[in-house]
Amino acid sequence: EVQLVESGGGLVQPGGSLRLSCAVSGFTVSSNYMGWVRQAPGKGLEWVSVISSGGSTYYADSVKGRFSISRDNSENTLFLQMNSLRAEDTAVYYCARRSPSTWGLFDYWGQGTLVTVSS
Amino acid sequence: QSALTQPASVSGSPGQSITISCTGTSSDVGAYNYVSWYQQHPGKAPKVMIYDVSNRPSGVPDRFSGSKSGNTASLTISGLQAEDEADYYCSSYTVGSSTWVFGGGTKLTVL
Repeated sequence: EVQLVESGGGLVQPGGSLRLSCAVSGFTVSSNYMGWVRQAPGKGLEWVSVISSGGSTYYADSVKGRFSISRDNSENTLFLQMNSLRAEDTAVYYCARRSPSTWGLFDYWGQGTLVTVSS
Repeated sequence: QSALTQPASVSGSPGQSITISCTGTSSDVGAYNYVSWYQQHPGKAPKVMIYDVSNRPSGVPDRFSGSKSGNTASLTISGLQAEDEADYYCSSYTVGSSTWVFGGGTKLTVL
């Protein structure tokens, strides 16, 4: 059974840092494109970042230079390091797998972890 | 990286059909058939309903269908049921920049 379980969310002050984790079971993280999608309270989905199976990384303009996506192959875990956090980064962060069979589909999603940036 | 454009809300009565549009550009929706649609109930993770413009994953009822014309994709739900009431998001891969973009979301109300 495929499972993606996010953790690491919480309350952080503006300018602070947080590291999100996504523990995956049922498939190999390093063999897939993996990404993060966020959703601000009461708002829509926003794509944040993707890491390719080859290790290339891609970011939304809104987080470029502040967020960093990575993975631990031995732990089969995806990470999102978030620095210089702003109030507008407050959201539920979902990790998701981009389908191996088509570019446009995120086929498996976690349940999300809430990040709140506030003083 | 501008969001795709969706209507904020649509509504329909049980048994009726509704269509949700999703307008992008020639770099995303219009570029290739990499458009997906997701259903999201409150407090839940998104669930894919349509991928590659018109393909349904196994388990998704055939009441859900997708299409595309130019830079606009559409999701049609026929035979509306109460459980279809949810938020719906379109998404597309953006050619050339290796990024993805979502629509602003459409709230479907089943009257």
